[in-house]
Amino acid sequence: QKEVEQNSGPLSVPEGAIASLNCTYSDRGSQSFFWYRQYSGKSPELIMSIYSNGDKEDGRFTAQLNKASQYVSLLIRDSQPSDSATYLCAVIGETSYDKVIFGPGTSLSVIP
Amino acid sequence: EAGVAQSPRYKIIEKRQSVAFWCNPISGHATLYWYQQILGQGPKLLIQFQNNGVVDDSQLPKDRFSAERLKGVDSTLKIQPAKLEDSAVYLCASSLDLAGEGTDTQYFGPGTRLTVL
Repeated sequence: QKEVEQNSGPLSVPEGAIASLNCTYSDRGSQSFFWYRQYSGKSPELIMSIYSNGDKEDGRFTAQLNKASQYVSLLIRDSQPSDSATYLCAVIGETSYDKVIFGPGTSLSVIP
Repeated sequence: EAGVAQSPRYKIIEKRQSVAFWCNPISGHATLYWYQQILGQGPKLLIQFQNNGVVDDSQLPKDRFSAERLKGVDSTLKIQPAKLEDSAVYLCASSLDLAGEGTDTQYFGPGTRLTVL
């Protein structure tokens, strides 16, 4: 059973701080990794996708991937109250026959 | 560009009744997904279509759930008969994903919140 786990929340950070969200996955052959943000009562929306080891930056967001450790993280710099949401990690396996697996999500609260 | 459309937005039924959800993906998107999201959990993939063919339905409870995507455009998901544990938000998503590898961005619809009493 392929699994995706995320750090348990809720995670609270003060405004302006760095929020660190972590995700581990069990399928060593996984190739595609995504971070989605989901506001309460809303649908998930894609923040970042990452496919290669290393860092990928987009504005205040940085995704980090380490396939050897089967670990992907999302850093949010200069956290804003509007970043308060649940962050979902999603992983796709090696082939087109591997389904998308979402983690349970980590709830982030940015305190003004 | 119009987003993914879903209807209805809310549905309340009693157990053992049947219900159907409709999804219209973004125009031109080859891949369509149905997810079940139970409160406090991440979305669980129920079925994935590539055009009008099924790519993955391994987590679809086929004794009660069915889905189709005629003509490779819009799709319906049906539950018959519904159980209490089916109470969840049913999300439809689509992606351009012409190769069927699931690597393109998925765009989600607003979801249908189902309550089974």
